[in-house]
Amino acid sequence: IAGITQAPTSQILAAGRRMTLRCTQDMRHNAMYWYRQDLGLGLRLIHYSNTAGTTGKGEVPDGYSVSRANTDDFPLTLASAVPSQTSVYFCASSDEFSGTGEGGYTFGSGTRLTVV
Amino acid sequence: GQNIDQPTEMTATEGAIVQINCTYQTSGFNGLFWYQQHAGEAPTFLSYNVLDGLEEKGRFSSFLSRSKGYSYLLLKELQMKDSASYLCAVMDSNYQLIWGAGTKLIIKP
Repeated sequence: IAGITQAPTSQILAAGRRMTLRCTQDMRHNAMYWYRQDLGLGLRLIHYSNTAGTTGKGEVPDGYSVSRANTDDFPLTLASAVPSQTSVYFCASSDEFSGTGEGGYTFGSGTRLTVV
Repeated sequence: GQNIDQPTEMTATEGAIVQINCTYQTSGFNGLFWYQQHAGEAPTFLSYNVLDGLEEKGRFSSFLSRSKGYSYLLLKELQMKDSASYLCAVMDSNYQLIWGAGTKLIIKP
């Protein structure tokens, strides 16, 4: 593993089903984030975690939950998927919450989710 | 509300120079980022500005004017591989990143 690994790469999901998107990083970054990216819109923050054991809500948290049991893993769960959750989901991490300085945020390759 | 504006699409010629503008209105300011995103891929970090002025990094430069709420990304000696979307993002007073929708840059031979 080098950087951030997301799984699955893509998924078609029936509405009402539960799904967990996986995210693992090997950089020992303290902060992790989940974003969704929709055509014509900027990246929107769903949830974040400043450090293991803590999580916070972003701009669009409804319908999503996260956990941060350890430094490396930050799964995102859709409890009951709806079509409006069709999007590309990116996991990201940074050495500190501000993500400033060299390197900024490191992003995973994304999960393309279609809810039908 | 918070807002980041950048052009939706720009076209430029291989070997030329292009400037991508970004204007912002946010609650507080803790720096401005530029990211590059090729189609179907993850965004990758290009630059970070927190003080006014120009930061140069190879063929790419980024400028910031905090008083005007304005930044630009300057790309020189354009190559075909520079065809991508360029995302402007501002970190607000709560250290949350506010993202623009991105500028799709098309490079023509």
